[in-house]
Amino acid sequence: KAGVTQTPRYLIKTRGQQVTLSCSPISGHRSVSWYQQTPGQGLQFLFEYFSETQRNKGNFPGRFSGRQFSNSRSEMNVSTLELGDSALYLCASSPEGTAYSGNTIYFGEGSWLTVV
Amino acid sequence: QKEVEQDPGPLSVPEGAIVSLNCTYSNSAFQYFMWYRQYSRKGPELLMYTYSSGNKEDGRFTAQVDKSSKYISLFIRDSQPSDSATYLCASLENFGNEKLTFGTGTRLTIIP
Repeated sequence: KAGVTQTPRYLIKTRGQQVTLSCSPISGHRSVSWYQQTPGQGLQFLFEYFSETQRNKGNFPGRFSGRQFSNSRSEMNVSTLELGDSALYLCASSPEGTAYSGNTIYFGEGSWLTVV
Repeated sequence: QKEVEQDPGPLSVPEGAIVSLNCTYSNSAFQYFMWYRQYSRKGPELLMYTYSSGNKEDGRFTAQVDKSSKYISLFIRDSQPSDSATYLCASLENFGNEKLTFGTGTRLTIIP
């Protein structure tokens, strides 16, 4: 069974540009969430989507946005990039149902974004 | 105060030793607890998952949760150099609200 797939793996952008990152969840998983990982702040929750609806949102500025498609694939977008946006962006997916049944949350390898 | 606190280490132990990794949390609503292992420049890999208080064992790994003291532990027996990685504890209130709250991670090195 394929895992969570994120593209691109590495990218370099210039301050002020915008970037779009893509995530394909594990087959059958309908919840997709995004996290930012930096050395200073660790892993921080950005937002979560389920059935094309944003279900939860972290404490990030409006420059960070996302969406989910009918096939559960998700994209996140960061506009007007700042140097501090340089980070590893991680996507995670989980199936429906409760964790008591053994379902839980799996991560992709991430997209490394460098803003120069 | 962070909702999940974790000693960042680094922690170095000799091969074969028992490793103890710990986290504390402050949010009483957390019900699900995970441990992830992250190798350098890779995504987090799910190691252990527990629901509520109790122990769970999987091979050389044992996860413990004590909700009364809000304490989460991961024990690694017979540690191997391949266990060298950053270990992240994470907590979740409920599925249907998939927002994991992570500790800062503990960098572990197993010395051959």
